[in-house]
Amino acid sequence: SAVISQKPSRDICQRGTSLTIQCQVDSQVTMMFWYRQQPGQSLTLIATANQGSEATYESGFVIDKFPISRPNLTFSTLTVSNMSPEDSSIYLCSGLAGGDWGEQFFGPGTRLTVL
Amino acid sequence: GQNIDQPTEMTATEGAIVQINCTYQTSGFNGLFWYQQHAGEAPTFLSYNVLDGLEEKGRFSSFLSRSKGYSYLLLKELQMKDSASYLCAVRDSNYQLIWGAGTKLIIKP
Repeated sequence: SAVISQKPSRDICQRGTSLTIQCQVDSQVTMMFWYRQQPGQSLTLIATANQGSEATYESGFVIDKFPISRPNLTFSTLTVSNMSPEDSSIYLCSGLAGGDWGEQFFGPGTRLTVL
Repeated sequence: GQNIDQPTEMTATEGAIVQINCTYQTSGFNGLFWYQQHAGEAPTFLSYNVLDGLEEKGRFSSFLSRSKGYSYLLLKELQMKDSASYLCAVRDSNYQLIWGAGTKLIIKP
C-alpha cells in the first residue's frame, strides 16, 4: 500500500490565525480525503479533495473555513482558517487506492492545538 | 440515516480471545473494513469483507453477514500490543467510508 506523509506533525497556533497542512502520497491515488478526529472519538470526514477542481465538503464544513487544494494525484493541502480553540483536533489525510475494493490508508496525522 | 454501532470499550486478558461486534445500517454496501488505531497514531488497515463469511489473517479474523448487517473482528492469542481502538467502517453506495465510533480494547496481563 502507499505511504502518506503529512506536515507539520503538530502545531500550536493562536486564535484567529490560519494553518496549512500538507499531504504527500508516494504513489498515485484515485481519491484523497481529509478527516478530523477529536480525542477519544471516531473519524469525521471534512471533505473529498478533487484533483483540479473544488473539494466536496461534508455537512457542517465549508470552503471558507477549510480551503483544500489538490493540484495533482499525489499531493493535497488543507487550510484551517481563522482558527478558534474548537478547531483543536487531529487532522488526517487519507488516500484511496484504485481497484474494486481499494484499501483506504492514512497519513500520521497533524495534531493541532489552538490557544 | 446511516449508522454504525460497536461497543465503546472491552477488556480482555493476555492470551485469550476477544470478539468485537459491529452492526450497520447504511445506504448501500460496498464492503466493510476494520482498522486498528493505537493512541496518538493514525488508523491502520486490518481487514476487508465484501462477501458473507469469515476472512482469516493470522491472529485476526473478520466475519460478515450482509443480510443481518453484522460483522465481528476476532482477535486470538491476545498480546499487550493489541491494546488499541478498533474501528469498523462501511463503504456506502457513494464509495465513502462511514465510520463507527470505535471500540477501545484493554488487554490485562
